[in-house]
Order: sequence, then C-alpha cells, then structure tokens
Amino acid sequence: GENVEQHPSTLSVQEGDSAVIKCTYSDSASNYFPWYKQELGKGPQLIIDIRSNVGEKKDQRIAVTLNKTAKHFSLHITETQPEDSAVYFCAVSGGGSGGGADGLTFGKGTHLIIQP
Amino acid sequence: KAGVTQTPRYLIKTRGQQVTLSCSPISGHRSVSWYQQTPGQGLQFLFEYFSETQRNKGNFPGRFSGRQFSNSRSEMNVSTLELGDSALYLCASSLAQTNTGELFFGEGSRLTVL
Repeated sequence: GENVEQHPSTLSVQEGDSAVIKCTYSDSASNYFPWYKQELGKGPQLIIDIRSNVGEKKDQRIAVTLNKTAKHFSLHITETQPEDSAVYFCAVSGGGSGGGADGLTFGKGTHLIIQP
Repeated sequence: KAGVTQTPRYLIKTRGQQVTLSCSPISGHRSVSWYQQTPGQGLQFLFEYFSETQRNKGNFPGRFSGRQFSNSRSEMNVSTLELGDSALYLCASSLAQTNTGELFFGEGSRLTVL
C-alpha cells in the first residue's frame, strides 16, 4: 500500500519567519495531495491541496509544491503568525487498484510552533 | 451551515465490551469516511460509505464495522474492545464519491479502553 513520510515531526520558527514541511510518498499513481491543519481539540481542516497535473499552488501565505518525478511535495507558510501554531498533516490518495477509493493515507504530522 | 457532528465526544469502556459511535454529516453530503487517530500510528483510514454502501475498507480487523443510513448519518461499531482500540475516532463527510476532494472532519469521539 501507499507509504507517506513527513518531516520534520516538530518545527519551531520565529514569528514572521517561513516554515517548510516536506512529505514523500511511494505510489507513483497517486494524484491528489492535500494538507490538513489540526488545532488542539478539533478535527483536521483542509488548508490547501494540489493535483498531479499542477506543480505549484498558492493561497495567500500558504503554498504547496509537487515534484511527481521525485514523489515529494512540500507545504510552505510565509510570514508565520501565532495562529499558525498547530499540527499539520500531509495526505495522499488516488493511487492503487482502488481507483481513488482507498481513503487518504496521512503522514504522521508536524507540530509547528510559532515563537513570539 | 452546521458542521459534522460526532457523538459521544468522550467515552470509557472496558476490554471485551463493544461501542457504537455516531456521525451526522454536513447537510447534502452523501459520503462519510471514518479514521482512527492515535499518537503512534497517526491517522488511519477505517472505511467510507456513500449512499448507504461501503465503498472501501482500510486494514482493520472485522471487529470494526460501520453502516450508513438513508439520511447519510453513519455509525461505526467496535466489538470485543482491546486496549489498543483507545483512540480518537474521526468522521469526515464530503460531497464527492471519490477521495480527491475536501473532507470535512468532525471533532471526533475519544474512546478510552480500560
């Protein structure tokens, strides 16, 4: 099955600096790559996603880049703010014989800490 | 518009018991997925339902089961509970039948097995 590795597990940055979280995946047939943010006591919330026909996508301070050849994708957060502190998960789907019906495979998460 | 509602939010059970968790999706959403979240394994896919049919099941034993009703509400059941079943169980709903669209998660049901 699909294997997703996410790094780092913890990331501490100064407020205003940039943060980068990276994920690699194993199934070259995968075609959908979302990022979720989970705040304490809440369920994950989609913050940005990218599909395999696009190399980069940006939404205000958040961007995602995808390298299908190398099978990795990254989340970039610029001008970090205290409210960015949370756990971030990458996910992958669309590969395998299930034709996309196999559910999302998530990375283990990155605890992002924004230092004031 | 109301979000995904999961009940109960917290529950404590003992080994060998069984538990039923409930999920009400966002109005109009026909797809409901369930995920187990633990510190060690992270988020793992349990199963997905669409129009009362189970579309796919993750790599969990048969003790884990679910169903979806005609109003799209879903329940999952875990029988013969084990200590390792202690986890946050998350339900997510979506408009689309595929797994290439946004999932809207509830706040989860936290199960503790003693």
